[in-house]
Amino acid sequence: GENVEQHPSTLSVQEGDSAVIKCTYSDSASNYFPWYKQELGKRPQLIIDIRSNVGEKKDQRIAVTLNKTAKHFSLHITETQPEDSAVYFCAASKGFNKFYFGSGTKLNVKP
Amino acid sequence: ETGVTQTPRHLVMGMTNKKSLKCEQHLGHNAMYWYKQSAKKPLELMFVYSLEERVENNSVPSRFSPECPNSSHLFLHLHTLQPEDSALYLCASSHGTGDSPLHFGNGTRLTVT
Repeated sequence: GENVEQHPSTLSVQEGDSAVIKCTYSDSASNYFPWYKQELGKRPQLIIDIRSNVGEKKDQRIAVTLNKTAKHFSLHITETQPEDSAVYFCAASKGFNKFYFGSGTKLNVKP
Repeated sequence: ETGVTQTPRHLVMGMTNKKSLKCEQHLGHNAMYWYKQSAKKPLELMFVYSLEERVENNSVPSRFSPECPNSSHLFLHLHTLQPEDSALYLCASSHGTGDSPLHFGNGTRLTVT
């Protein structure tokens, strides 16, 4: 099956700095890569996703890059704000209703 | 607020109890999922239902029994659980295609005493 590894497990940045979270996957057939944000006591919410036919996608301060050859994808958050503090999960899917999640990154944005 | 509603939000049960978790989605999705979220571990897929048919059972112990009576409702029946089953149980739904995202409910925080 698929194996998704996520790093770092914790990340602390100063407000206004950028944050980068990286994930690798093992199954080259995976073709869909969503990112979820989970605030304390709340449900995971989709913040951005990318499909394998695209190398980069941006949505305001958030961007995701995908390197299919190296089988890794990354989440980039620019101009971080305290409300960005949360746990972020990456996931990989090759269809058939199966999503494989990384172990999560706890992001702390210090004001 | 959310298209996926889970009840109860919190549940404390003894090891000999029988209880059920409920999930309802109002998004018109045709796939529903149960995930287990434990501290410092990846989200673990438990069950997937697509068009009310179970398509995935991820080696989950029989003390967890899912039920999907229709495409909008999903249950997880619990019986003789162990303390290590304490976790956050998340329900999710999706359109069921490989590249459609999961929409999660707020979860049920389960404590087994």
